[in-house]
Amino acid sequence: EPEVTQTPSHQVTQMGQEVILRCVPISNHLYFYWYRQILGQKVEFLVSFYNNEISEKSEIFDDQFSVERPDGSNFTLKIRSTKLEDSAMYFCASRKGLAGNEQYFGPGTRLTVT
Amino acid sequence: EDKVVQSPLSLVVHEGDTVTLNCSYEVTNFRSLLWYKQEKKAPTFLFMLTSSGIEKKSGRLSSILDKKELFSILNITATQTGDSAIYLCAVSPRSGGSNYKLTFGKGTLLTVNP
Repeated sequence: EPEVTQTPSHQVTQMGQEVILRCVPISNHLYFYWYRQILGQKVEFLVSFYNNEISEKSEIFDDQFSVERPDGSNFTLKIRSTKLEDSAMYFCASRKGLAGNEQYFGPGTRLTVT
Repeated sequence: EDKVVQSPLSLVVHEGDTVTLNCSYEVTNFRSLLWYKQEKKAPTFLFMLTSSGIEKKSGRLSSILDKKELFSILNITATQTGDSAIYLCAVSPRSGGSNYKLTFGKGTLLTVNP
């Protein structure tokens, strides 16, 4: 069964460093999302992406964040200058679109900023 | 702001018990409500409900939506230890475009003891 994959599973970085989190959505899906979950808190929406552009972003998704679909398979989240409060589990999700509205989540990348 | 409240926050049962998990919501222009199971990492899709009063069923799990009272329940019959997980409820608004971003509740931690 096709699934969303994410790499790395765990990333440790120092404050102020740039990180790129990678996702490979399910191949015939058209809509892509990033969510994050700070330890012990709710899963929160960050950004949605369709047709090579951001379709919606939350207040969390400020100028330090960017997303890109550099080729036909990868979908990346970049944090330019990480802060301690960026430490969280980051989930990528994809949705088929049209009749398929449910979102399928990847296993997540645990980002630890020290 | 969209809001999802789940209850109880945690529940401990014995194998074979039946459990009911609750989700109430407030969302501008409701489109759908989704249930996910979160074990170690990624939320795994269970159900999506869009119409009131129609039960969705998969094996021992079932769910129903009440759009008038703004809530949904997830039932698990004959629970097994493998059902131990956090069960997440999320709603998706009918926003402009087709973003389908999800707003999650805090989840219900279900522990099934042998």
